[in-house]
Amino acid sequence: AQTVTQSQPEMSVQEAETVTLSCTYDTSESDYYLFWYKQPPSRQMILVIRQEAYKQQNATENRFSVNFQKAAKSFSLKISDSQLGDAAMYFCAYRSGDAGGTSYGKLTFGQGTILTVHP
Amino acid sequence: NAGVTQTPKFQVLKTGQSMTLQCAQDMNHEYMSWYRQDPGMGLRLIHYSVGAGITDQGEVPNGYNVSRSTTEDFPLRLLSAAPSQTSVYFCASSLYPRWEQYFGPGTRLTVT
Repeated sequence: AQTVTQSQPEMSVQEAETVTLSCTYDTSESDYYLFWYKQPPSRQMILVIRQEAYKQQNATENRFSVNFQKAAKSFSLKISDSQLGDAAMYFCAYRSGDAGGTSYGKLTFGQGTILTVHP
Repeated sequence: NAGVTQTPKFQVLKTGQSMTLQCAQDMNHEYMSWYRQDPGMGLRLIHYSVGAGITDQGEVPNGYNVSRSTTEDFPLRLLSAAPSQTSVYFCASSLYPRWEQYFGPGTRLTVT
């Protein structure tokens, strides 16, 4: 079974600074997808960024980028020019891409990292 | 599009009561899932469905039932509520090949 680990329960950053959230995962599969989700106090889960394992290029979405290290099974999220609205719980998630596997269709989440942004 | 909708938003049950959490999506997504969120444990998969008439168990299925008679609806049934089922429940849907999950607003359930 796949596991996702976020080793930082809490992180903080000053407004306009850069912060990196860590995520590691364990899998024996070669075809999979990785995601970062943001959960603000409203409780709504919002997709931040998505990465396909077969793509070597790191995904970017505006101020958000990832450092995907497939061999190391690491998937960190970098937030540049942090804003007060970035304060939230952030979840890393894994999804199998193996259509013939028992994990197909399942999304596995890490425990989450609470990000605080100081003005 | 309304996206993924869930009802109710809040619910209080007594131990032993049963209820159904409703979930619907209007995006014609094949895949739908139910998760529960507990402090310090992230989101854990309860049940999921890869299409109408097809469901499967996730990580924590005990005490819950699901069915999928249409593409749009995926209700979650609590058969006999227990305090351990106090949690926030999320329904989500997704579509091949992008696979990102679209989440509903969640239901906060308290079992006393």
